[in-house]
Formats: sequence, C-alpha cells, structure tokens
Amino acid sequence: LAKTTQPISMDSYEGQEVNITCSHNNIATNDYITWYQQFPSQGPRFIIQGYKTKVKNEVASLFIPADRKSSTLSLPRVSLSDTAVYYCLVGTMNSGGYQKVTFGTGTKLQVIP
Amino acid sequence: ETGVTQTPRHLVMGMTNKKSLKCEQHLGHNAMYWYKQSAKKPLELMFVYNFKEQTENNSVPSRFSPECPNSSHLFLHLHTLQPEDSALYLCASSPSTADLSQPQHFGDGTRLSIL
Repeated sequence: LAKTTQPISMDSYEGQEVNITCSHNNIATNDYITWYQQFPSQGPRFIIQGYKTKVKNEVASLFIPADRKSSTLSLPRVSLSDTAVYYCLVGTMNSGGYQKVTFGTGTKLQVIP
Repeated sequence: ETGVTQTPRHLVMGMTNKKSLKCEQHLGHNAMYWYKQSAKKPLELMFVYNFKEQTENNSVPSRFSPECPNSSHLFLHLHTLQPEDSALYLCASSPSTADLSQPQHFGDGTRLSIL
C-alpha cells in the first residue's frame, strides 16, 4: 500500500496561490492519486483526482510528474474559507479486490487575512 | 449536500447503552464504508461492504456490529462501548470497490461521545 507524506501544516495569505506537495514513492501502476478537503466536524470532500500529468477542475489543479512519485495540489487565490485539512491519498487495490485508501495526517492549511 | 446522509449527527451514550448509527446514500453506489476519526489521528477504515456483502473487517472490536440491508443503507450497531471509542464516525460510498478511478464520497459523520 503506497504511503503518502505531506507537510503537517502551511500558512498562506488570502489571494495567494497555495501548492501542497505529497510524496508517494511506492505508488503502483494502477494506483490513482486523490485529494480531499476536510473542515472541522465534517466529512472529507473530494477535490481532485489524477493518474498522470496535469488535471484541472473549477477548484484546483493537480500536477503529477512522469515518475508519479509525488503530486502537487495547487489552489489558486485562496480565501479564508479554504482553511481546512487537505489529504493526499493513493487508492490501491488490496488482495481482496477492493479499493483501499489510507488517510495520513494531512496538511492543515491556515489562510491568513 | 454530498449525497451521503448520516444520522444522528451527535450521540452521547453510556457504556452500557445500545445505539445504532445510520448512513444512507442517494448516489446509486454499490460500495459503502465505515471510518473512525479520533482526535488528532488519521481516519481509520473499519468496515467495507460491496453489493451488501462485507468484504473487510479491519480488526474492529465486536462491540461494533455493521449491517448493510441494501446498497443504499449502512448501519453501525454499538454495544457496551468504551471511552476510547469516542470519535467522529464517518460513512462513505463509491460506485464500486473495484474501480480505483472513482473516489469515495463521505457523509458529515456522527460525533459519538461515550460517558
């Protein structure tokens, strides 16, 4: 199971672009990289998912280099409401044939006015 | 609105009580999951169901008993819990346990406090 490593916390001012990098050196061929956002007392919310290269949606971009051993979540022009914990996960298939994701401790992003 | 609804949102119970947590998904998914999130700890997977069949029990104590009557509903029956079981219990669903390209969708959880 690919283990992920990401910074424990980050601070950013409003309006700045924030990049959170995640390392997953043991990622397997079939694994996908997924990022979630979690506010206090709420469940994680799906942000973006990718397999390789670059993915972009209305809220974020995900950059994945060719070796796929890391990924970077990019949040453009953050606001105070983006203060949350961001989790990088690698979903892999376990021996029982089902998707298993392992949540790490995540990156706590604090947006400062 | 995530499409996954959990009730109750908050629950306080004594160690000798019996209660149940409920999860319902309106997404047409076939896989459902229970997670536990304790303070300052990562989410821990507890149980996995695929097409109503349990496919994973992640060494969870027997005082937690899951039930999945159909693909849309998932229950977690609680009995004689311990103080360390106080946590946020999250339910999630996905189209299939076998499709890695489909992420899981989470409910907002039940905050459980054991007195």
